[in-house]
Amino acid sequence: DTEVTQTPKHLVMGMTNKKSLKCEQHMGHRAMYWYKQKAKKPPELMFVYSYEKLSINESVPSRFSPECPNSSLLNLHLHALQPEDSALYLCASSQSVNEKLFFGSGTQLSVL
Amino acid sequence: DAKTTQPNSMESNEEEPVHLPCNHSTISGTDYIHWYRQLPSQGPEYVIHGLTSNVNNRMASLAIAEDRKSSTLILHRATLRDAAVYYCILREALNLQGAQKLVFGQGTRLTINP
Repeated sequence: DTEVTQTPKHLVMGMTNKKSLKCEQHMGHRAMYWYKQKAKKPPELMFVYSYEKLSINESVPSRFSPECPNSSLLNLHLHALQPEDSALYLCASSQSVNEKLFFGSGTQLSVL
Repeated sequence: DAKTTQPNSMESNEEEPVHLPCNHSTISGTDYIHWYRQLPSQGPEYVIHGLTSNVNNRMASLAIAEDRKSSTLILHRATLRDAAVYYCILREALNLQGAQKLVFGQGTRLTINP
């Protein structure tokens, strides 16, 4: 199994809603990542987890809250988002240093 | 963060070789050069990576300049399915536990003509 599975594929939420994005991998990877991608722009790194511990937070606003409950699962909790947060949210995982990243297909988020 | 410079777009014909250039003049000795591509409506996909020597795999070849300030991704025989945005990335090692920081540049949009 070489897949990173993201759910849901599409999400529409209001600015007062609370929602969560889910990412799962069963490749035994110990590093997991969240990226944000606006239309026609490159992906931007948000968070990196290594061995279930947060290793990098790229100064992401607190309305985005990551969680890594176990080595296979990565969540991104969303609360009080703004319309400018509408984007494709990509999850990725990797085995170790120098190893390639495997990306999911992303969750397309629209904030109304 | 280390920076890369790529042409915004390139065009080639099917079944011809494609050479995608990347400049990374501020590369440090421990930065690996990674290439990923992103097909429409998909997440990025790993293509190839290298440190100093040229690398080959089933998808492509990576030619790295001797001073490491530039590299070229070579698709030996392009197909229509190779149309994508190609990203050249300098990977900075974060720690020995496996977390790495991959910061994407603007990428090159490759169009393949039938």
